Amino acid sequence: DIQMTQSPSSLSASVGDRVTITCRASQSISRYLNWYQQKPGKAPKLLIYAASSLQSGVPSRFSGSGSGTDFTLTISSLQPEDFATYYCQQSYSTPPSTFGQGTKLEIK
Amino acid sequence: EVQLVESGGGLVKPGGSLRLSCAASGFSFSNAWMSWVRQAPGRGLEWVGRIKSKTDGGTTDYAAPVKGRFTISRDDSKNTLYLQMNSLKTEDTAVYYCSWIEAADYHYYMDVWGKGTTVTVSS
Repeated sequence: DIQMTQSPSSLSASVGDRVTITCRASQSISRYLNWYQQKPGKAPKLLIYAASSLQSGVPSRFSGSGSGTDFTLTISSLQPEDFATYYCQQSYSTPPSTFGQGTKLEIK
Repeated sequence: EVQLVESGGGLVKPGGSLRLSCAASGFSFSNAWMSWVRQAPGRGLEWVGRIKSKTDGGTTDYAAPVKGRFTISRDDSKNTLYLQMNSLKTEDTAVYYCSWIEAADYHYYMDVWGKGTTVTVSS
């Protein structure tokens, strides 16, 4: 199975900051990488698919990049509603479709 | 409005069974690939399994921890997805989400999710 490792596991930042979260796959997954945002008690929300395609309705301050084994999710200017947990997910080799362990973004 | 609504969660003893349902509306359910994802308390997301549309074979795939115990099925006449869970273990305690698997150029992703239903396995 392909393992997905996110870093950092948690992050403190301030409104207006630029934030980058990294996701590394245990083998090449081309660009078959999705990013989700989850707030406490809520279902995940798709942000980015195919490594860099912004899902409709998602603010343009979110962007994704990478290919192969290394990927990043960048939030260009943090807004109060962005404080949440973020997950990457590979869809290259399924089953299983593995998620990263999550990155919790907290207010500094 | 596209919507998924899970039901059927509850408290069950180890070794017991439970069937979850996911009612879909607002999209062509019969053509959709569907999945179940779970989240144990305080933990991350875990893919449970998926079912393809009947036109794509209707086949199912499962994560190793649930294979042989869980069964995903669908009733396209009722626009409903199911997760039959047998031989439940305490580690199956989680919120269970159903989701619609969408695709763009063979890139698969889960855009629509239900709100989840809670399963607690405890004696």
